[in-house]
Amino acid sequence: NAGVTQTPKFRVLKTGQSMTLLCAQDMNHEYMYWYRQDPGMGLRLIHYSVGEGTTAKGEVPDGYNVSRLKKQNFLLGLESAAPSQTSVYFCASSRGTLASNQPQHFGDGTRLSIL
Amino acid sequence: DQQVKQNSPSLSVQEGRISILNCDYTNSMFDYFLWYKKYPAEGPTFLISISSIKDKNEDGRFTVFLNKSAKHLSLHIVPSQPGDSAVYFCAATLPNSGNTPLVFGKGTRLSVIA
Repeated sequence: NAGVTQTPKFRVLKTGQSMTLLCAQDMNHEYMYWYRQDPGMGLRLIHYSVGEGTTAKGEVPDGYNVSRLKKQNFLLGLESAAPSQTSVYFCASSRGTLASNQPQHFGDGTRLSIL
Repeated sequence: DQQVKQNSPSLSVQEGRISILNCDYTNSMFDYFLWYKKYPAEGPTFLISISSIKDKNEDGRFTVFLNKSAKHLSLHIVPSQPGDSAVYFCAATLPNSGNTPLVFGKGTRLSVIA
């Protein structure tokens, strides 16, 4: 049971390059999320999705785009990478709301460095 | 404006003793609070949650206490074990948000010394 899988685990980019981070979950969860974690900071929500074909902005969406074409996959894109986007990116998924005691399950993160 | 605050960046506790991790919040509309644990090079894992209508929730060695009037919650780990050494994040969510978004604190690094 893989849970939430993120690829790649590490990547170094040059300023201005583009790339896509892939998140896949095998738990049939409706909700998926992308967070970034910077040193000394908590996790901040970038974008999220409440179902296939839907996406919404989180706290820090600028410079990122997302797509949820398939229920099990949530893609995070950087069109023109900037050094400020150097961070560790976490994907998460959940089945439903906290009212039904459904917490978020996280992947192991993607460490991205922009030079 | 940080809505969820963990004012202690680190905490050291001896094995077998109690660990108390604290969290303060400013938004009285939060309706669920959660604690996540994170080991290096891994994603956070869910530990325990509490609804705002309760003041205590217990799961094995982990107990979360909520004081709504003080806008304060705490996680108690008894007894502490070396494997509990990790970064602990407090998080909160708003009603009708569909479990989104979670607002996280900056984390507290717990070191349990054998």
